[in-house]
Amino acid sequence: DGGITQSPKYLFRKEGQNVTLSCEQNLNHDAMYWYRQDPGQGLRLIYYSQIVNDFQKGDIAEGYSVSREKKESFPLTVTSAQKNPTAFYLCASSIGTGISGANVLTFGAGSRLTVL
Amino acid sequence: KQEVTQIPAALSVPEGENLVLNCSFTDSAIYNLQWFRQDPGKGLTSLLLIQSSQREQTSGRLNASLDKSSGRSTLYIAASQPGDSATYLCAPTGTSGSRLTFGEGTQLTVNP
Repeated sequence: DGGITQSPKYLFRKEGQNVTLSCEQNLNHDAMYWYRQDPGQGLRLIYYSQIVNDFQKGDIAEGYSVSREKKESFPLTVTSAQKNPTAFYLCASSIGTGISGANVLTFGAGSRLTVL
Repeated sequence: KQEVTQIPAALSVPEGENLVLNCSFTDSAIYNLQWFRQDPGKGLTSLLLIQSSQREQTSGRLNASLDKSSGRSTLYIAASQPGDSATYLCAPTGTSGSRLTFGEGTQLTVNP
């Protein structure tokens, strides 16, 4: 079955530690995205990538970093510079971007990060 | 900057009712608009995508309409069932292509 796998599902971090969230897709999608979801708020875009070895900042990129070395993988690192990292993180992918009209997003199940 | 508002924030109805969820957006320059469903603690599932040139899309008991000029979309759910209980989010795609802007969602509870 094709889909997006996020790991870990739950993660606890001490203040000052960097953590990396994994996102893997076997859909052969070109575009991948990271969103953050907080209670009572909509999803906010952190980073996105339209092609391998290229990525752009979203609306709330500060304190986060990404890489796109392989088409199927788009890991997100939450650094110690992120002041309020406790949140639900969602990875998504799409065939292309909105320009092609083919940007129906497929989401992973999410990773919940809690800072202790 | 695109802003998306969803009304109501929460809705509780008895099983079998027809209901309407509303979505409004401030920038009408969009390529398309998507409606998603999110179950508690889970990822999002795409329900319907309406292209900017379309007026509506239907899938089973779901019907979504789009009035781009007025910045509005509605999701109509017919004959609601307890299994429809979830949060429903709308997200227009701006003409930059890659940027979806999400509303905060409508939390729907359908009571047996």
